[in-house]
Amino acid sequence: DIQMTQSPSSLSASVGDRVTITCRASQSISTYLNWYQQKPGKAPNLLIYATSTLQNGVTSRFSGSGSGTDFTLTISSLQPEDIATYYCQHSYRTPLTFGGGTKVEIK
Amino acid sequence: EVQLVVESGGGLVKPGESHRLSCAASGFTFSDAWMSWVRQPPGRGLEWVGRIKSKTDGGTADYAAPVRGRFTISRDDSKDTLYLQMNSLRTEDTAIYYCTTYKVTGGDYYYMDVWGKGTTVTVSS
Repeated sequence: DIQMTQSPSSLSASVGDRVTITCRASQSISTYLNWYQQKPGKAPNLLIYATSTLQNGVTSRFSGSGSGTDFTLTISSLQPEDIATYYCQHSYRTPLTFGGGTKVEIK
Repeated sequence: EVQLVVESGGGLVKPGESHRLSCAASGFTFSDAWMSWVRQPPGRGLEWVGRIKSKTDGGTADYAAPVRGRFTISRDDSKDTLYLQMNSLRTEDTAIYYCTTYKVTGGDYYYMDVWGKGTTVTVSS
């Protein structure tokens, strides 16, 4: 199975800061990488698919990049409503696997 | 039209027992949809459980290793309903179980874009 490793596991940043979360795959997955946001007590929500395509309705504050084994999710200007845990997930082949998550908090 | 999936059937189950979850879909053509289950143990991250294709695409299911041979995903397109049959349940199967759509876009990029609120299964004696 392909392992997905996210870093950091948590971060604290100020409103307006640029935030970057990284995700590394245990083997090349081309650009078959999705990002999800999960707010406390809620179901996950798709943010980005195919590495960099924003899901409909998602703010352009979010962006994704990468290919092969290394990927990033960037929040250009952190807002209070972005407080959540973020998960990467590969879709290269089944079984699908998720990263361990990155919890984002406001400083 | 708003696309919705609503899970049901969660509860307290004893180790070794069987249990079935349901997921009712609306707002999209369920028979054309690939569907999946994802679970989240208490205080932990997301774990993909498995996926079923539409019948026109073969109707087959794939599973994650921890549930393969114990869990079965099925669908009733006449009822717009997805099922997760869980057998030989273990304490480590305790989790919130989410039903999701499993979409594909150009270039065979798959993603899960519609999620239910989840249903909680607790496996404990």
